[in-house]
Amino acid sequence: LAKTTQPISMDSYEGQEVNITCSHNNIATNDYITWYQQFPSQGPRFIIQGYKTKVTNEVASLFIPADRKSSTLSLPRVSLSDTAVYYCLVGLSMNRDDKIIFGKGTRLHILP
Amino acid sequence: EAGVTQFPSHSVIEKGQTVTLRCDPISGHDNLYWYRRVMGKEIKFLLHFVKESKQDESGMPNNRFLAERTGGTYSTLKVQPAELEDSGVYFCASSHSTGYNYEQYFGPGTRLTVT
Repeated sequence: LAKTTQPISMDSYEGQEVNITCSHNNIATNDYITWYQQFPSQGPRFIIQGYKTKVTNEVASLFIPADRKSSTLSLPRVSLSDTAVYYCLVGLSMNRDDKIIFGKGTRLHILP
Repeated sequence: EAGVTQFPSHSVIEKGQTVTLRCDPISGHDNLYWYRRVMGKEIKFLLHFVKESKQDESGMPNNRFLAERTGGTYSTLKVQPAELEDSGVYFCASSHSTGYNYEQYFGPGTRLTVT
């Protein structure tokens, strides 16, 4: 599975757009890029998944350049409730039996 | 639709005792996973059921851990005897076997403290 590198922590302010970049230089052709979010005292929660270019849903956008060696999770107009750990995962294909291998994630702290 | 539920939410036991954790997946989800996070470490995969069968148990740390999934519905994870290093948060997740998007739905976790 491709190794990922993402910042350990980030701070931002309410109302701002937050971009978290993840590097995955060894991504394989069949690999998808998936982001999970984890609030304190809760289990991780799926946010978004993509393969290339841009994916957008009601929570976030995911930008993937043509070489797919990195990806950026974009959270529009964050609020205090977006304070959480965000995990970038690479290697999950369309095979629904894949286990998730979590890294350390990015601890995002939203300030008032 | 009810989410993944886990019981208990918190368990405190003494070293050498037995504890059984329970997970109820989302109805209709064939895939059920157990993960855990021990103090200061990353969330680690333990095992994966497809219905009642163990698909992958490569993450089980040792034979003190026993997971079952009776009838392909709820699952239990028994730790016997518990050791201090078993303390941590145990997560259960479930997912569909068919469909387009990949997504595992996690429960809130069971915090296990072994003293």
